[in-house]
Order: sequence, then C-alpha cells, then structure tokens
Amino acid sequence: GESVGLHLPTLSVQEGDNSIINCAYSNSASDYFIWYKQESGKGPQFIIDIRSNMDKRQGQRVTVLLNKTVKHLSLQIAATQPGDSAVYFCAEKWAAGNKLTFGGGTRVLVKP
Amino acid sequence: GAVVSQHPSWVICKSGTSVKIECRSLDFQATTMFWYRQFPKQSLMLMATSNEGSKATYEQGVEKDKFLINHASLTLSTLTVTSAHPEDSSFYICVPSGGRYEQYFGPGTRLTVT
Repeated sequence: GESVGLHLPTLSVQEGDNSIINCAYSNSASDYFIWYKQESGKGPQFIIDIRSNMDKRQGQRVTVLLNKTVKHLSLQIAATQPGDSAVYFCAEKWAAGNKLTFGGGTRVLVKP
Repeated sequence: GAVVSQHPSWVICKSGTSVKIECRSLDFQATTMFWYRQFPKQSLMLMATSNEGSKATYEQGVEKDKFLINHASLTLSTLTVTSAHPEDSSFYICVPSGGRYEQYFGPGTRLTVT
C-alpha cells in the first residue's frame, strides 16, 4: 500500500552543525506533510508542516523542503543543539481531518 | 498548538484485566479522534478513527472487541483495552482533530501488562 518511508534510521550530528533528515513518500494524492519530534516517553511534538502547493517552508531553526517530482520531503535543522536529540517522524495526509500515515522514524543523536 | 491531555500517563495492570485511557482536547472541539499505538523503537500505527457520536472505524488487524473506543463528546474520548495481555503493552496516543489539517498528539499513555 501507499506509505511514507525514511532513508536513514540514525543520524549522528556534531553540536552546531546542520542536520538533514530525509523522507520519501509514495502517495501522489498526499497534499499535506508534517514533521514531528518525539522524545523518549513522550508523544510526538509538531515541528513544522507544509502543503503540497509549496516547496519550502521555514520555521525557527527548521526548514522543510518538498519535492513533489520525486516525492521527497526533508527536514533541515540549523545549528543542531543537544535538545534536538530525538526521533523525528514525517507524516502525510490527503485531506483535512483524514488520518496521518507515518514514516519509520530517524533518530538524531547530537554529539557535544 | 492544541492542548491535549491523556490520563493516566502510565499504567501497569495484570494480564486479563481491563484498562481505560482517557483523552481530552482542552481548547477545541474534536469532531474526530484518532488513536495510535507505538511499540518500542517503532513508528506510530493508527488503530482506529472515531467521530463524535458514532462508532469507531478500526484499522485492519485491530480487534474492535478488544479495544473499545467511546467518543461521546467533542472533548472526550476513551480507549478501553479489555482483557489485556502482555503483547498489548505499548504506548497509546490519541490525536483529536477538529477537521483541520493540523494534528496535535496527546502526551501518550504507557501501558505495561504483567
């Protein structure tokens, strides 16, 4: 079935460097994408979202890029900090109020 | 973001007993409630979707008689794990939705069945 997947299961990053987390999706009907951050023992925390009519969106220290041609989504974290260590999930949906489909997750480890 | 609460945050129960998890959307009306389950080191898997006042729709492989969902009001939904077994031990997370695109997750409930 349609799914969202991730390229890298674990990403080690030096503190202060930029992080890039990648995600591939296969449902061409998806029109909304979200990145979540999940710390151990907690529920996923909304980071940033992007609709399919956009190819880039920026937040505080984070940028999401969407390439619909190759069905690819990425999350860039600038100046990665120890507090950024967590598991990051991408998710997709194709209608307001519809369910989210999650990718497998990428663990980001920030080295001091 | 939306304010969502879950209770309890963690629970330990004996095999064969039932556990009820409450999810409340504190600052908006949730016309739809999604319940997810997450096993250790795995991604989130949707269990069921419920609309206020109607029966829940369960994902393939999820037993509706085992995971009872009640969505009686726009601010409260409950998930009851009946006759729990150790394999039901997981992290259960609710996601209330007001029909918009954005979805905010509850803090989750850690269930351990001994």
